[in-house]
Amino acid sequence: SQQGEEDPQALSIQEGENATMNCSYKTSINNLQWYRQNSGRGLVHLILIRSNEREKHSGRLRVTLDTSKKSSSLLITASRAADTASYFCATGLYSGGGADGLTFGKGTHLIIQP
Amino acid sequence: KAGVTQTPRYLIKTRGQQVTLSCSPISGHRSVSWYQQTPGQGLQFLFEYFSETQRNKGNFPGRFSGRQFSNSRSEMNVSTLELGDSALYLCASSLEDRSTDTQYFGPGTRLTVL
Repeated sequence: SQQGEEDPQALSIQEGENATMNCSYKTSINNLQWYRQNSGRGLVHLILIRSNEREKHSGRLRVTLDTSKKSSSLLITASRAADTASYFCATGLYSGGGADGLTFGKGTHLIIQP
Repeated sequence: KAGVTQTPRYLIKTRGQQVTLSCSPISGHRSVSWYQQTPGQGLQFLFEYFSETQRNKGNFPGRFSGRQFSNSRSEMNVSTLELGDSALYLCASSLEDRSTDTQYFGPGTRLTVL
């Protein structure tokens, strides 16, 4: 079963604008991770935020986590053409969480228009 | 540190054949996971290996199998290939547990079944 669900499915913005993607999930989690995938390539880890954290930053990336609403958001500020990619959230359960220990959503496809 | 490497990068096979894919994790990482990615189903978990043992398995038929060696390198095998097995196969490694640790992905093996 796929727990994380990203919204929107696709997003197109102008270079320089901010991009916001959301992820909702259903059960309690240990952590939530965001990944980026450029067309047809492997996933690149962006940020891991644990369930006891509310916000994390990494360069132009800002991730928030609201465990009461079971949701997370990824904000990319001052977008660049190179940010064009698919972005996935993955929800991690407790250690040794079985086959559902880490599940990925279907992703948000972000297009940055020059 | 060298990243996760996967070989081969591209593979074309015909129905009924079998295939073996290889993955070398980041040095020191003991958990290796495999995923299948298709446009229709997204990222689906195949299995996770830790200390040469399969720790978790996703919902795939027995034609999909894998193993891990003492140096943490892993292989996955698909027997009696079907057209629907065409996909990008991704390997990821993490320190101990894919549910709680950051996963580092390889570039993937693109398998085409004719």
